[in-house]
Amino acid sequence: GAVVSQHPSWVICKSGTSVKIECRSLDFQATTMFWYRQFPKQSLMLMATSNEGSKATYEQGVEKDKFLINHASLTLSTLTVTSAHPEDSSFYICSATRDRQTYGYTFGSGTRLTVV
Amino acid sequence: LAKTTQPISMDSYEGQEVNITCSHNNIATNDYITWYQQFPSQGPRFIIQGYKTKVTNEVASLFIPADRKSSTLSLPRVSLSDTAVYYCLVGDQTNAGKSTFGDGTTLTVKP
Repeated sequence: GAVVSQHPSWVICKSGTSVKIECRSLDFQATTMFWYRQFPKQSLMLMATSNEGSKATYEQGVEKDKFLINHASLTLSTLTVTSAHPEDSSFYICSATRDRQTYGYTFGSGTRLTVV
Repeated sequence: LAKTTQPISMDSYEGQEVNITCSHNNIATNDYITWYQQFPSQGPRFIIQGYKTKVTNEVASLFIPADRKSSTLSLPRVSLSDTAVYYCLVGDQTNAGKSTFGDGTTLTVKP
């Protein structure tokens, strides 16, 4: 199979602090990972494409200085929400693919971020 | 990226077959069609994927007409646990290709 692990599953932080979310491909290597954000009752919105060994590609309207993405190895991508504010509270989900034609994209279990 | 259109919601009863149709008029030659299921506070889960005609696995079937401008996910004999949001995605076949989610279809299965 293809397993993607995301950690933590939920986090509460104070406004102004930074939070790091990890996304790991457990049984395959992923040169590319994707980060999504999902607000309640809404669909997933692609935030950025994480590329191993190079800079992430951000979607229009996503602040790259606020959402720092690091893809330092073939099995780990991290998303850091810097200087978090209540409006950043959301469900963050990562995905990767082992073999798109066979497995499609495998998604992590998501991280519920609450900024107070 | 091809835009997809699905019904916002559908209701069904346990034991019935459910068909959810997705329109993707601007699908490109290299695009695959993939369906995902999402439960609240969980990441989406891969259901089935296809390029043309019919694909079947242990949980669902996917019907794609010759023009590929639409596709239908068929769930046989649904149960209460199939209540979820179902997303149709269209994207290229390279592993680096990103996928854009549409609004999805909220399926509610009633007893």
